Amino acid sequence: DTGVSQDPRHKITKRGQNVTFRCDPISEHNRLYWYRQTLGQGPEFLTYFQNEAQLEKSRLLSDRFSAERPKGSFSTLEIQRTEQGDSAMYLCASSRGTGIDTQYFGPGTRLTVL
Amino acid sequence: SQQGEEDPQALSIQEGENATMNCSYKTSINNLQWYRQNSGRGLVHLILIRSNEREKHSGRLRVTLDTSKKSSSLLITASRAADTASYFCATVPGEKLVFGKGMKLTVNP
Repeated sequence: DTGVSQDPRHKITKRGQNVTFRCDPISEHNRLYWYRQTLGQGPEFLTYFQNEAQLEKSRLLSDRFSAERPKGSFSTLEIQRTEQGDSAMYLCASSRGTGIDTQYFGPGTRLTVL
Repeated sequence: SQQGEEDPQALSIQEGENATMNCSYKTSINNLQWYRQNSGRGLVHLILIRSNEREKHSGRLRVTLDTSKKSSSLLITASRAADTASYFCATVPGEKLVFGKGMKLTVNP
């Protein structure tokens, strides 16, 4: 257990539905990252926050995706109008400061879109 | 896009043997990190090596970095069945981790 928690651990939804995932980072960590991992691949970066500010978004993050980190604590990742191609493991990580610091990952949320 | 490439993509060894994994990358980096992932679970950080370091040890792990060749290797000595997992190298060219596709290690008891 790294201290980063994610909820839910599994989510099955039908195409077209909206889903929201939550990540609780290690409490003193300023940085929070979201990654997506598909089967047989390494995780791919989606976005990251420095406190409550969203500083970078990947081109993978289409306009159906939105992430927030109100008050610089927990973060949510919402996917609207889900598609089968959104099926993946969504991983959250946190770190103390800059990008050169170790990132600690949560257990992930596995999304299946039917 | 993924920068790191682990080699080999799969490795099967007997318990007690050493396992060596290689990683090549393309751009300049601040540091390189190795992670382990057990089947269907989150990633566990193993070791970080900074761009100005050449070798680092942590328990049964030894990692080397050659920035001139843009490559790194991870050595696991005296492997155990519990080391069975996927291993990823991740580079940090800027502020985020860029992962390779990973390497599946199987340690047979």
